Amino acid sequence: EAGVAQSPRYKIIEKRQSVAFWCNPISGHATLYWYQQILGQGPKLLIQFQNNGVVDDSQLPKDRFSAERLKGVDSTLKIQPAKLEDSAVYLCASSSIRGRVLDGYTFGSGTRLTVV
Amino acid sequence: GNSVTQMEGPVTLSEEAFLTINCTYTATGYPSLFWYVQYPGEGLQLLLKATKADDKGSNKGFEATYRKETTSFHLEKGSVQVSDSAVYFCALSPSGAGSYQLTFGKGTKLSVIP
Repeated sequence: EAGVAQSPRYKIIEKRQSVAFWCNPISGHATLYWYQQILGQGPKLLIQFQNNGVVDDSQLPKDRFSAERLKGVDSTLKIQPAKLEDSAVYLCASSSIRGRVLDGYTFGSGTRLTVV
Repeated sequence: GNSVTQMEGPVTLSEEAFLTINCTYTATGYPSLFWYVQYPGEGLQLLLKATKADDKGSNKGFEATYRKETTSFHLEKGSVQVSDSAVYFCALSPSGAGSYQLTFGKGTKLSVIP
């Protein structure tokens, strides 16, 4: 099966500019996640979608970050305006559930954002 | 809240050495536990998992046993290869339907030298 697709792979922007990332999950995976991975740390959840509804966005900095998942498939994550501390890898993942237990995630390759 | 603690890295081993990467967790109930691997320049890949106490996950010569009594999920491999050089992340998913978020440890970088 095809993996989780993300684009762009790399992005360099100046602070206060805006940026958007795109994700296409594995076909049939209802749950989609965006994670932020700062260098030297583990990924941290930003937002979780179930189909096209938001399940959890408690760790999303809503003053500058937004995300949507139209039609329950593709998703976009936007940052506006960007700050230096937003420099990180943004990972998209989708998951399958087996018998009410998480069977596993599939991660995309990520978008490496550098804010200068 | 939920948390995962991994041993500090980096870890440098010679080829064919024995590997242990310690992982302990804090969570209520019986979370599912995972090890993910991130090779240089690549995304996260699921290495192995365990969903209940005393389960042993295994893959590619790596093993980890879910120990409820010690809240641990240590990763082991009997003989590492240069190709195992990567960053390894321990993670948990809380128990309960609908709670499918992953909480990760900080990662342990492994370097295997010939």
